Amino acid sequence: GENVEQHPSTLSVQEGDSAVIKCTYSDSASNYFPWYKQELGKGPQLIIDIRSNVGEKKDQRIAVTLNKTAKHFSLHITETQPEDSAVYFCAATLDRQLTFGSGTQLTVLP
Amino acid sequence: NAGVTQTPKFQVLKTGQSMTLQCAQDMNHNSMYWYRQDPGMGLRLIYYSASEGTTDKGEVPNGYNVSRLNKREFSLRLESAAPSQTSVYFCASSEGQAGYTFGSGTRLTVV
Repeated sequence: GENVEQHPSTLSVQEGDSAVIKCTYSDSASNYFPWYKQELGKGPQLIIDIRSNVGEKKDQRIAVTLNKTAKHFSLHITETQPEDSAVYFCAATLDRQLTFGSGTQLTVLP
Repeated sequence: NAGVTQTPKFQVLKTGQSMTLQCAQDMNHNSMYWYRQDPGMGLRLIYYSASEGTTDKGEVPNGYNVSRLNKREFSLRLESAAPSQTSVYFCASSEGQAGYTFGSGTRLTVV
């Protein structure tokens, strides 16, 4: 099966700075890579996703990049705001099943 | 526009007791999933149902059973709860490979 590793496990940034979270996956057949944001006491919510035929995707302050050769993908958040503070999960899809990374606790300091 | 609804939100069980977690979605999705979330381990797939009438084991199925009651509902049953099953349980649904929609979770404590 698929294995997804996510780094770092915790990340603190100053408001206005950028944040980068990185993930690697093991199975080259994986072809869909979503990112989820989980706020305290809530379920994960999809914030952006990328398919294996695309190298980069951007949505306002959030962008995701994918390097299929190296089997890694990253989440970039620019101009961070306090409301960006949450746990972020990457995931990879193989055979229609999502495998999640272990999560990154992002704290944006005012 | 409820999305995925889970009940109950909180539950405390004694070791050996049984219970069923309920999940319903109103998005007409074919696929439904049960995950458990433990600190530092992300979300792990317990069981999934690719379509009505089918269920399959995920990464951590031991100690659980599921029922896909109809297209909307997918329940998770613990026959004899153990302290190792203390966790937060999430139900999700999806259509094809599109991003999953998650419920708000059930926080289960087994004492």
